[in-house]
Amino acid sequence: GEDVEQSLFLSVREGDSSVINCTYTDSSSTYLYWYKQEPGAGLQLLTYIFSNMDMKQDQRLTVLLNKKDKHLSLRIADTQTGDSAIYFCAELRSGSSYKLIFGSGTRLLVRP
Amino acid sequence: DGGITQSPKYLFRKEGQNVTLSCEQNLNHDAMYWYRQDPGQGLRLIYYSQIVNDFQKGDIAEGYSVSREKKESFPLTVTSAQKNPTAFYLCASSNPVSNEKLFFGSGTQLSVL
Repeated sequence: GEDVEQSLFLSVREGDSSVINCTYTDSSSTYLYWYKQEPGAGLQLLTYIFSNMDMKQDQRLTVLLNKKDKHLSLRIADTQTGDSAIYFCAELRSGSSYKLIFGSGTRLLVRP
Repeated sequence: DGGITQSPKYLFRKEGQNVTLSCEQNLNHDAMYWYRQDPGQGLRLIYYSQIVNDFQKGDIAEGYSVSREKKESFPLTVTSAQKNPTAFYLCASSNPVSNEKLFFGSGTQLSVL
């Protein structure tokens, strides 16, 4: 399809791991990104992965990339209440060097 | 501190009125963008500019206009032709040589009176 797809909602308990999934559209996309948005604020870049990688780890964050299935995931270890936010994945499609395509966002709720 | 500043935080538009949203960056970025965010939806690109005095339409440019007279500034005008302007508007900038990582402002919530 044409859209970057994400599930709308995820609820986890504090201390558990969260896994947010994303299916993107273009198998030749060069970069894939995860952004975090807190209420009433702009988006903050969390991490990104280049398409020739299949995993990237950055402290509590692990990004997995499955190019064959065009599937991207973000794992947050030891999820905290401050992680509650909307998480957007985005792809930089080949041939469109100035346009990121965003998913609709996954709202993560962390229960105490 | 370097960053992107959007103003105002909240804006109200009357019927038939044009309103302008401000976006200023001091990151020395060449590229700037305007996105619209509706509840439960992803970001949709309105306009973008790769360089001063040049800009291109994004996916939903109808009813909007922009200018890029200075590198630091990329104001967005929501015209009376935009019939459903209520949304959260986000400005972003990037340095094209840095993997298109976007830096976002804190957004402007536009509502219709």
